[in-house]
Amino acid sequence: DQQVKQNSPSLSVQEGRISILNCDYTNSMFDYFLWYKKYPAEGPTFLISISSIKDKNEDGRFTVFLNKSAKHLSLHIVPSQPGDSAVYFCAATTNAGKSTFGDGTTLTVKP
Amino acid sequence: DVKVTQSSRYLVKRTGEKVFLECVQDMDHENMFWYRQDPGLGLRLIYFSYDVKMKEKGDIPEGYSVSREKKERFSLILESASTNQTSMYLCASSSPRDRGGSGANVLTFGAGSRLTVL
Repeated sequence: DQQVKQNSPSLSVQEGRISILNCDYTNSMFDYFLWYKKYPAEGPTFLISISSIKDKNEDGRFTVFLNKSAKHLSLHIVPSQPGDSAVYFCAATTNAGKSTFGDGTTLTVKP
Repeated sequence: DVKVTQSSRYLVKRTGEKVFLECVQDMDHENMFWYRQDPGLGLRLIYFSYDVKMKEKGDIPEGYSVSREKKERFSLILESASTNQTSMYLCASSSPRDRGGSGANVLTFGAGSRLTVL
């Protein structure tokens, strides 16, 4: 039973355009949602997070939207840059501190 | 500026060998985690620990054990390595005192250990 799903294994966008990465979850008890970014041969690094009581959080070019009724969140990157090319993982946490990850989406930003 | 260090970046072992993967963090974090990353399967939690001498099974603990004798060190042990344990292993740490801007419990990962079992 996969509680966090990223249904798009890959996404390709043009530099300067918007990248939208999607994530669905099933567990209503998740209290926070996070996005991590991973370059090859490196560990994932934290990008942005949102509390389950919020519907939007913005940090520079990155915005995360949460739709609790649909159990869906998305990460928007505007404008996309070639350096954003990486694997993006959606994660959700419970108040016990455990994180559950999606399968990841590989974003390619073309110059 | 290295915060989570995994001692071996690449290892090649033979089936049946005992394998130790070491992880050290210098952030005084209480929580430590071991994940494995496989294509199409994302990151799956193997074991975690909230305190010294304490360990909890994650989602896929079979074939693995862990040791946490000191707060900063969390070791993953493969008692008898098998080919299906070929994977990227990622160690992470976190602390309730070190949260992201929204209050989330943020993981800090090491660079990973790529294990190949022949």
